[in-house]
This record gives sequence, structure tokens and C-alpha cells, in this order.
Amino acid sequence: NAGVTQTPKFRILKIGQSMTLQCAQDMNHNYMYWYRQDPGMGLKLIYYSVGAGITDKGEVPNGYNVSRSTTEDFPLRLELAAPSQTSVYFCASRGGGGQPQHFGDGTRLSIL
Amino acid sequence: AQKITQTQPGMFVQEKEAVTLDCTYDTSDPSYGLFWYKQPSSGEMIFLIYQGSYDQQNATEGRYSLNFQKARKSANLVISASQLGDSAMYFCAMREWNGGGADGLTFGKGTHLIIQP
Repeated sequence: NAGVTQTPKFRILKIGQSMTLQCAQDMNHNYMYWYRQDPGMGLKLIYYSVGAGITDKGEVPNGYNVSRSTTEDFPLRLELAAPSQTSVYFCASRGGGGQPQHFGDGTRLSIL
Repeated sequence: AQKITQTQPGMFVQEKEAVTLDCTYDTSDPSYGLFWYKQPSSGEMIFLIYQGSYDQQNATEGRYSLNFQKARKSANLVISASQLGDSAMYFCAMREWNGGGADGLTFGKGTHLIIQP
């Protein structure tokens, strides 16, 4: 009963490096999301997807890219990492209608 | 204007007392949902309770209830008989069904609840 699985849990990057944060869900949910949480703040939406092959921008998409080739996976790519991208990243998924979003445990990312 | 406002940055409550965490929201969409999440110090986000804008009754889930006052645009979380394990950050969030913007939740800044023995 894995739910939403995020890898890695922690990562330190140097400025200018790139990386992909992985997210997988086993609940057959069409809707998937990426959020970031800065210290002392609520979560902000980066990108979302309403199904395989369909993605769209959220509130804070700059510096990130996503893809959704399968229902299960929704990776988040950081190109040219910047210190401002130091944050905790959460992936979430939900079923249809008013179903709540289920979150992964988060990835703590530091850019130095 | 902020869509979700949580006015209590922090609260201290004695164990076994009831707790009310405030949340006000701003939307012109008649169809929306309000959610509360708990984030313990370990960092995960735990769904607690949901209220739809057309729901006639206040939502309840065990010790959690939602005091939904639609005209005042408030959706306060009530925790009855608080326990030490309730100490955590609590976030109010909203999803607008017909807002025309991004699908996803808009979160408040959270309330840090500490339960004292």
C-alpha cells in the first residue's frame, strides 16, 4: 500500500546542476501535482497533470519542467539549479471529483 | 488578496481541551472545496477533513470537525479533546472547481499548534 512515493528524500545540488525528482503513485489516479514548501510557508503549486500526456503550469513554474508519459509517474526536472530553489518538494495525486490529494513524504533539496 | 488566511501563527493548548484553528477564504467561484491538512514535525502532509461548498452539514471525521460558515467565508477546524500527538502544523487549503485557473490546492500559511501536558 505504497500510495505516493518520492525519491530521493534528500539531495544537495551545486548551483547550475540539474536533477530530476521522481514521483510515482500506485492508486491509478489521473491527477498529479508538484508543490514546493519554503520555510514557514504553505505549499505552492509548481505544475500539475490531469492525465497521461497532459501537463500545465501552476503558480510558480519558472525553473522547472515536468512530463507525464504514464499514469503512474510524474517526474519534476530542475534545470540550472539556483539557490532560490532550495525547498521541500511534495508530489501529490488524487482521484476524481472532490477526492483529497494524497501526498508523498517530500524531497528536501538544498542548492549551494 | 490572499485566497486563504490563517490568522494564528501559533497556538498553545492544554491537553484534553478543544481547539479551534481559524481559516478564512476568498473566492467568487460558487463551487469549491475546503481541506485541512496536518503536517507533523516529520514533514509529511496528512489529510484530515474536507468540506464542499454545497454540503449542507458541517463535515466531521472522528475528533475533527469543520465549522463551515459560508456567508462569512470561514472554515475553522475544531479538534475535540486534544492529545499530545496533535502537536503539528495545520494547513487550510482550497480548490476552486470553476475558477478557470490551475487545478490544485491553494494553501494558507499554517498554524503551529502545540499541545501542552
